[in-house]
Amino acid sequence: AQKITQTQPGMFVQEKEAVTLDCTYDTSDPSYGLFWYKQPSSGEMIFLIYQGSYDQQNATEGRYSLNFQKARKSANLVISASQLGDSAMYFCAMREATGTGNQFYFGTGTSLTVIP
Amino acid sequence: DTGVSQDPRHKITKRGQNVTFRCDPISEHNRLYWYRQTLGQGPEFLTYFQNEAQLEKSRLLSDRFSAERPKGSFSTLEIQRTEQGDSAMYLCASSLGHTIYNEQFFGPGTRLTVL
Repeated sequence: AQKITQTQPGMFVQEKEAVTLDCTYDTSDPSYGLFWYKQPSSGEMIFLIYQGSYDQQNATEGRYSLNFQKARKSANLVISASQLGDSAMYFCAMREATGTGNQFYFGTGTSLTVIP
Repeated sequence: DTGVSQDPRHKITKRGQNVTFRCDPISEHNRLYWYRQTLGQGPEFLTYFQNEAQLEKSRLLSDRFSAERPKGSFSTLEIQRTEQGDSAMYLCASSLGHTIYNEQFFGPGTRLTVL
């Protein structure tokens, strides 16, 4: 089974609007971390936001927020007030505390295009 | 620049040749990771080091692949007898710790094309 599922291969959003990128995950480990990375066309993975499995509140970092629904095993990224520079691939990733525990499991990504 | 660096950024080689990539992590980071990313996919874990010790290898890492981190600083990834299926982006990442909240900092990647 896939550890991370991103069902939206591509998304479009109007500049200044908000957009939600979906991510669901699969783990039996009670302790895990969820991450979102942005990958522009240059290739570098840029860390955006982190949510721990025991965190009570949804994480926020500037225009990025994470809609964490633990029972549904979803960790959707919300980007508010989209900017042209937000156009990129976005990857959801998970890290488990036990087992192989050190690697990140990545989804297949969502390509976001911001339309002027 | 104190981020993760990788060299070269691009490599074109002929099938059957050997290639070596280098990764310089953030200086105080003791953990170093290699990932492979093919078109339309997310990065897939290959191997990781804690200091100079290689502690885990993915099944993706065939015996044609070898990685080293001799002094616990920079790392090299060598692919012997390259095949066209090896064409991918090879990403290096480093982190300070191994807890679930330690994000990994990625380098710009080395894009390999095998002709």
